[in-house]
Amino acid sequence: GENVEQHPSTLSVQEGDSAVIKCTYSDSASNYFPWYKQELGKRPQLIIDIRSNVGEKKDQRIAVTLNKTAKHFSLHITETQPEDSAVYFCAAKKAPGSARQLTFGSGTQLTVLP
Amino acid sequence: DAGITQSPRHKVTETGTPVTLRCHQTENHRYMYWYRQDPGHGLRLIHYSYGVKDTDKGEVSDGYSVSRSKTEDFLLTLESATSSQTSVYFCAISEGGRDTEAFFGQGTRLTVV
Repeated sequence: GENVEQHPSTLSVQEGDSAVIKCTYSDSASNYFPWYKQELGKRPQLIIDIRSNVGEKKDQRIAVTLNKTAKHFSLHITETQPEDSAVYFCAAKKAPGSARQLTFGSGTQLTVLP
Repeated sequence: DAGITQSPRHKVTETGTPVTLRCHQTENHRYMYWYRQDPGHGLRLIHYSYGVKDTDKGEVSDGYSVSRSKTEDFLLTLESATSSQTSVYFCAISEGGRDTEAFFGQGTRLTVV
């Protein structure tokens, strides 16, 4: 089955700096890669996703890049703010078959220091 | 927010007792999932359903069973609760298309003492 590894497990940055979280996946058939943000005590919520036919996607201060050859994808947050502090999860999913479930990385605790 | 509700939100139970968690959706989504969240492990899939009465195991299914008799409800049962099942449980729903997002419930914090 799919295996998703996420690094780093914790990340501290100064407010205004950039943060980068990286994930690798094992199944070359995976073609959908969402990122979820989970604030303390809350549910995970989708912040951005990317399909396998796209190399990069941006949404304001957030961007995701995908390298299918190397089987890795990354989340980039620019101009970080204290409200960006949360746990971030990457995930991967492949379309074929009846499963259609997401495999998640182990999460990154991002702390933005004021 | 997607119409997905988990109950109960918190539960404390004793070792060896059966426990059932409920996930209810109003979105008519085909796919429903149960995950558990533990520090250092992220979200791990317990069981999922791809239709009424159609379920399958995830990566951490031992000690858990599920049932889906209606599109809107997906039940997770701990047959005989153990301390290792103390966790936060999340239900999620998805339309199940080629690349559609999963929406999560608020979570259930279960403590087995």
